[in-house]
Order: sequence, then structure tokens, then C-alpha cells
Amino acid sequence: EAGVAQSPRYKIIEKRQSVAFWCNPISGHATLYWYQQILGQGPKLLIQFQNNGVVDDSQLPKDRFSAERLKGVDSTLKIQPAKLEDSAVYLCASSRPSGGETQYFGPGTRLLVL
Amino acid sequence: AQKVTQAQTEISVVEKEDVTLDCVYETRDTTYYLFWYKQPPSGELVFLIRRNSFDEQNEISGRYSWNFQKSTSSFNFTITASQVVDSAVYFCALSEARGNNRLAFGKGNQVVVIP
Repeated sequence: EAGVAQSPRYKIIEKRQSVAFWCNPISGHATLYWYQQILGQGPKLLIQFQNNGVVDDSQLPKDRFSAERLKGVDSTLKIQPAKLEDSAVYLCASSRPSGGETQYFGPGTRLLVL
Repeated sequence: AQKVTQAQTEISVVEKEDVTLDCVYETRDTTYYLFWYKQPPSGELVFLIRRNSFDEQNEISGRYSWNFQKSTSSFNFTITASQVVDSAVYFCALSEARGNNRLAFGKGNQVVVIP
């Protein structure tokens, strides 16, 4: 069974530029999550989808971050415009839709904003 | 609100020693789930173990074991006979049944296994 796929693995941009990350979840996993992990900290949930609907985006900075999962499979997370403090690893995870299900993570995208 | 505390930041052990990682959690929910993940230098979070709040049975899986005690809200994790490949950051996490499966992570324990 293929794991969660993410691209790109690394991205360097200048502040005020835009960037997009892509995630493909494990086949059959209806729930998809985007987490932000700042160096030295645990991951923090940005947004959660169930199929193509948003379940929780309470911690997403909506003035600059957006995410979509149009067909209920792949997802894209965008930052526009980027700030220095957005430098972090962006992790995508997926799980079955039931409560307490294990989340499986992708390799992450390491973003550096200069 | 759910909260996870991992007090130790970095732990160094000599290869073949045991290492225990402490995790204390807070939740108002009676149904919840606890997890341990490993994050090697490559950056990917690797799932290790999962327990639900109704199952306090402690188990051993290979070199991993865990001690879940609801009375003290602790979910400690032990690696027996550590190896260099165990060097990583280990995260304890909690999700609540009423919390949309959102994971709350601790700050992580950096484990360094010295050959």
C-alpha cells in the first residue's frame, strides 16, 4: 500500500512570494490533514478535510493560507504572500474517517522563506 | 482543551541501554486516543503505537513497550536495548472522540543513542 505522497520536498522562496504544496493521501482515506511544524515544536493542525469538505480550519491563517481538496482525493495548500515566520515543515496526513483512527504522515515539505 | 506535555527535551543514552520517554496528557473527554510517533532526521512522522482510553493494558511490541495509566494521565514509552537507528525525535499525541480526530502533539523528545 502506497503511503502519503507530498511534493515538493524542499522549497526556498522570498517573502511576499507565493508557494503551493501538493498532497496525495493513502488510497481509501477519506480524511486529510495539513499540519505545520516549526523547528523544535510538535506539528500543529492547519486544516482538516473529510472527502472534499472542510471539517476544521480554525487554526488556518486565512488571510494568507488557503487549501482545497476539490475531488476528495488530492489536496493543495497555498501560502500567498509568504512571511518569514512561515518557514516550517508542512506535513500532510490521512486517515480513515472514524474517530481515533491513526493518522499516517507524508514526508513533508520543508519551506524556507528568506 | 486537549494538551500533551513531554517534559524532557533531549535524552542521550549509550547503545543497548533502555530509554523511557514520559508523556502526560490533559483532556476532558472520557473517550480519547493516545499515540507515539517517531520522527527521524529525514523528517517523516512514523506511527509507532496507539491506545484508546478504555484499554489500559500495557503491552510489548518488539523493543517497544508502553505504560498507560489513566490515574496519573500518563502514557510513557520505553525503548529496550536501544540502537543507533533509534536516534530520532519522539512525539506523544492525543485525539479526543469529540475533537474531529485532531491530534494535539507534545513538543517531542530528542533521543540520541551513542554507539
